Amino acid sequence: DVKVTQSSRYLVKRTGEKVFLECVQDMDHENMFWYRQDPGLGLRLIYFSYDVKMKEKGDIPEGYSVSREKKERFSLILESASTNQTSMYLCASSFPRGQETQYFGPGTRLLVL
Amino acid sequence: KQEVTQIPAALSVPEGENLVLNCSFTDSAIYNLQWFRQDPGKGLTSLLLIQSSQREQTSGRLNASLDKSSGRSTLYIAASQPGDSATYLCAVTSGGYNKLIFGAGTRLAVHP
Repeated sequence: DVKVTQSSRYLVKRTGEKVFLECVQDMDHENMFWYRQDPGLGLRLIYFSYDVKMKEKGDIPEGYSVSREKKERFSLILESASTNQTSMYLCASSFPRGQETQYFGPGTRLLVL
Repeated sequence: KQEVTQIPAALSVPEGENLVLNCSFTDSAIYNLQWFRQDPGKGLTSLLLIQSSQREQTSGRLNASLDKSSGRSTLYIAASQPGDSATYLCAVTSGGYNKLIFGAGTRLAVHP
C-alpha cells in the first residue's frame, strides 16, 4: 500500500513564527504536491515538485516556500506565519504520467494565533 | 483557466436511495477526471479515475461517467448507506506534471 505521511496532524503556532510541514512518501514517486483546503474553496495547489531540488509554483504560492532535498521528502515552509494561513494542509504524491492518481496524506490542521 | 464546479454543495438522503453527484469543468482538454472521498478531518481517498478516452468507470456501488465534450461528469451511488457519508471531490488533470484542479466538493449525509 502506498503511504504518504505528514509530520503533524495538528499544529498551533503564533503569528510571525517560521513553520515547517513535512511530507514523506514511500512509493518512489517523482511528483509531490502541497495543497491547502479551506471551506467553500476546495483544495488549492500551493507548490509542487517533479524531481529532487526542482519546484514549481502552484496557484497560491505567496507566503510559502518548499524544499525537496530527497526524493521521498517534501517540506512546506511558512517563513512568517500569519492568521490567514490557518488552514488544512494536504500533501500528495504521484508518478508523473497523466493517467496516474495522486495519493494523499492525512493532512495537517494548522492554527495560527 | 480551468474551473471545476460541483453541484449540489450538500445533500442529505435516507439510507437506500440511489443518488447522483454532478461535476462540471470549463476546459475539455483534460487527461483524466477523478472522484475522491474525504472523511471529516482526514485526507483524500481516490474512488474512481476516468481517462479522457473513457466514458465511465465502475467500482462496487459507484459508477462515474465522463462526457468530455460537454465538460460534465456524474458520480452515481447505488443503494446509499450511512457509511457513505463524507465529502466527495471531483478533480481534473490538465496541463503538465499531473496537476489536479479540484471542485469545492459535495457534502453527503446518509441517515438511517
